[in-house]
Amino acid sequence: QPVLTQSSSASASLGSSVKLTCTLSSGHSSYIIAWHQQQPGKAPRYLMKLEGSGSYNTGSGVPDRFSGSSSGADRYLTISNLQSEDEADYYCETWDSNTHVFGTGTKVTVL
Amino acid sequence: EVQLVQSGADVKKPGESLKISCKGSGYTFTTYWIAWVRQMPGKGLEWMGIIHPSNSDTRYSPSFQGQVTISADKSISTAYLQWSSLKASDTAMYYCARSGGNYPDYWGQGTLVTVSS
Repeated sequence: QPVLTQSSSASASLGSSVKLTCTLSSGHSSYIIAWHQQQPGKAPRYLMKLEGSGSYNTGSGVPDRFSGSSSGADRYLTISNLQSEDEADYYCETWDSNTHVFGTGTKVTVL
Repeated sequence: EVQLVQSGADVKKPGESLKISCKGSGYTFTTYWIAWVRQMPGKGLEWMGIIHPSNSDTRYSPSFQGQVTISADKSISTAYLQWSSLKASDTAMYYCARSGGNYPDYWGQGTLVTVSS
């Protein structure tokens, strides 16, 4: 079963960019992942599907400030022109056979 | 517009049973899986299991197998998560999500379950 590793927190200034990392465990570096955003007190929201090639597809209504990229076992979520509403927890997710796993989440603070 | 509307918050005592629901609309309910995800207070997301409403094919995370039951009634576009005997440790927010292409692409608003004596 794959394991996803995320840093616990990240911060950046309003209007700047932040790049979050989700690392797949050994033997799972080719896996597709999904990124989800959870604003404080709200349900999660699907942001995008991200492949190992770096190709990504965003969900309905997701601003183009959100982009994805990949390098080896690392999957990245970049938020450009950071806005106050981007302050949230960000989770990556992947799947294998009949189960799914989430990363532990990264809390993004907008300074 | 795709919507998943979950039942309201509930407060139960340990040992009681509970069934929460998730009603889908705005899409063909029988063509997508429905997943259930737990979020304990102040913690991250945990995948519990998934059901395909067309035939009730159900898969559980090993962590939740035997602890909960996932079901669906395709005639009313509704999926369910139920417990036969709640524990205090079941206190959490529970989310349903439509799973398109292996991952949740639409989420319900969540149902808060509180188990306390």
